[in-house]
Amino acid sequence: AQRVTQPEKLLSVFKGAPVELKCNYSYSGSPELFWYVQYSRQRLQLLLRHISRESIKGFTADLNKGETSFHLKKPFAQEEDSAMYYCALSGGGYNKLIFGAGTRLAVHP
Amino acid sequence: EPEVTQTPSHQVTQMGQEVILRCVPISNHLYFYWYRQILGQKVEFLVSFYNNEISEKSEIFDDQFSVERPDGSNFTLKIRSTKLEDSAMYFCASSVDNYEKLFFGSGTQLSVL
Repeated sequence: AQRVTQPEKLLSVFKGAPVELKCNYSYSGSPELFWYVQYSRQRLQLLLRHISRESIKGFTADLNKGETSFHLKKPFAQEEDSAMYYCALSGGGYNKLIFGAGTRLAVHP
Repeated sequence: EPEVTQTPSHQVTQMGQEVILRCVPISNHLYFYWYRQILGQKVEFLVSFYNNEISEKSEIFDDQFSVERPDGSNFTLKIRSTKLEDSAMYFCASSVDNYEKLFFGSGTQLSVL
């Protein structure tokens, strides 16, 4: 079964601390993985996708096929990173995304 | 940056009534989608639409649901006879093609009483 698991509902850190938001997936083929972010009162927006291999706003994510993980990392959290983060999987095009439950990141001053 | 626009932002309806949720995708996008999020649950795919027909739909998207592109700019989701369990935030999204970045609207909160 296709599934995305984000084990943490809430991750609370202080400004300047490292952040890792966990994402594990279950998929039989070669998935495409994404991180979407929703800031307060804003729309859901793409943060990054694994095929791009880029760093956005200091965030990176590496696809680990052995561990079926796609954890989102940032070495030094900023207050403006506070948001809801969703890991998502696409298995075959058509942008049919399977979302995880989301992790709320709270960065405290 | 261009945005996907959804109206209304909130919709309250009685069980059994028909509702139409409206979306204006980004103008040069060709693929359109509906997702929904029931309170406290995951964002779920409902349907994708391309070239005036449904490309793919989920098990949720049963006969009570339909989508339409009535003109060159609007994309609608109709629920024929709403149930209590249809209460959710409904997100419209669009993309240039089916592998490119999805742009989401801000959502319509549907409450079925």
